[in-house]
Amino acid sequence: DAGVTQSPTHLIKTRGQQVTLRCSPKSGHDTVSWYQQALGQGPQFIFQYYEEEERQRGNFPDRFSGHQFPNYSSELNVNALLLGDSALYLCASSLSHAGLQPQHFGDGTRLSIL
Amino acid sequence: EDQVTQSPEALRLQEGESSSLNCSYTVSGLRGLFWYRQDPGKGPEFLFTLYSAGEEKEKERLKATLTKKESFLHITAPKPEDSATYLCAVRPGSGGSNYKLTFGKGTLLTVNP
Repeated sequence: DAGVTQSPTHLIKTRGQQVTLRCSPKSGHDTVSWYQQALGQGPQFIFQYYEEEERQRGNFPDRFSGHQFPNYSSELNVNALLLGDSALYLCASSLSHAGLQPQHFGDGTRLSIL
Repeated sequence: EDQVTQSPEALRLQEGESSSLNCSYTVSGLRGLFWYRQDPGKGPEFLFTLYSAGEEKEKERLKATLTKKESFLHITAPKPEDSATYLCAVRPGSGGSNYKLTFGKGTLLTVNP
């Protein structure tokens, strides 16, 4: 049973560039959430996608956008990259409408901005 | 605004030395409190969900408990392989469309052989 998979595992970009990160949810899951984790901090919620719509958004600027596809996979896009965007980006999947289900995380994409 | 505070920030134990990690929270109605374990370079791994005060969950050497203001993760006779960062997160219950998890900064546990 495949868990949550993310690609790429590592990425190096320069300021001002754009980046796209990808996530495939755990088999059977229909909801995808994205989190940003800075070094030494807990994950911070960026947004959640369900039924191909952004269902909830955290305190992140519009430079952060996303998409969910019919097969439930998801992308996170970040435009006009800043040095402060350097972090581990985590994708988590869950199943909606099945009670309070835990979110299961992938191993993340480590994004470094030079 | 929902807040989660974990203490201590770091904890060193000898193998077999039991202890507890604390997670204090402020949330607009609690729908669930979650414990995760995170190894270096990995994503958080789900451990427990607690729903209401007085609830307890156990898994091997770990036991999680919940009150109206805090949760504890008790580690009994830890082994070196229990070394990791332990994260606590809450999901609020107020508002029908609040799905996000709010995390604490975590407790870095090191168990020496």
